[in-house]
Amino acid sequence: DVKVTQSSRYLVKRTGEKVFLECVQDMDHENMFWYRQDPGLGLRLIYFSYDVKMKEKGDIPEGYSVSREKKERFSLILESASTNQTSMYLCASESGQGALNEQFFGPGTRLTVL
Amino acid sequence: AQSVTQLDSQVPVFEEAPVELRCNYSSSVSVYLFWYVQYPNQGLQLLLKYLSGSTLVKGINGFEAEFNKSQTSFHLRKPSVHISDTAEYFCAAYNTDKLIFGTGTRLQVFP
Repeated sequence: DVKVTQSSRYLVKRTGEKVFLECVQDMDHENMFWYRQDPGLGLRLIYFSYDVKMKEKGDIPEGYSVSREKKERFSLILESASTNQTSMYLCASESGQGALNEQFFGPGTRLTVL
Repeated sequence: AQSVTQLDSQVPVFEEAPVELRCNYSSSVSVYLFWYVQYPNQGLQLLLKYLSGSTLVKGINGFEAEFNKSQTSFHLRKPSVHISDTAEYFCAAYNTDKLIFGTGTRLQVFP
């Protein structure tokens, strides 16, 4: 059974703190993604990765960085959290074999920055 | 400019009534189209997808969608909804190498 897990369901941090959001998939997928979800804006792509140690900027990368040291793990890092980064963060993975595959999503991390 | 448009942010409907959730895409995206559903407190899961072939696509939970090239639409339909269909629904399209999502439609089914 396909599974994408995220380290926390809910997280509260203070402005200026460094925040790590972890995502792990057990499907041996090559491609992994980080989105943020905000009411009225849908899902917006922050960063994605097609392979270990590879990363590509999405549509809204400012204020974020990522790390992919192992194939199954993709971390999102907020170097200095700000209140406008309060949001729901969704991780997804996708097989890199073939084309136009389904993305599998984790349950999300709701981050509040005070 | 938004490449995938969901005009209805909320759709209230009574149980057992039919429902249509609208999605239009711009010509700047490919015609590889998806509908995802997000149940409360969960991640997204795939309902159905159109890549090629028959323009009527059937998905899980009794949902179907019709690809209409002339109207650049990919509306989602269900003939009779259930309380358990209450969720947020996202239309998405591939643009080069990534998915572009619409802003979502919240379907609320009332008894």
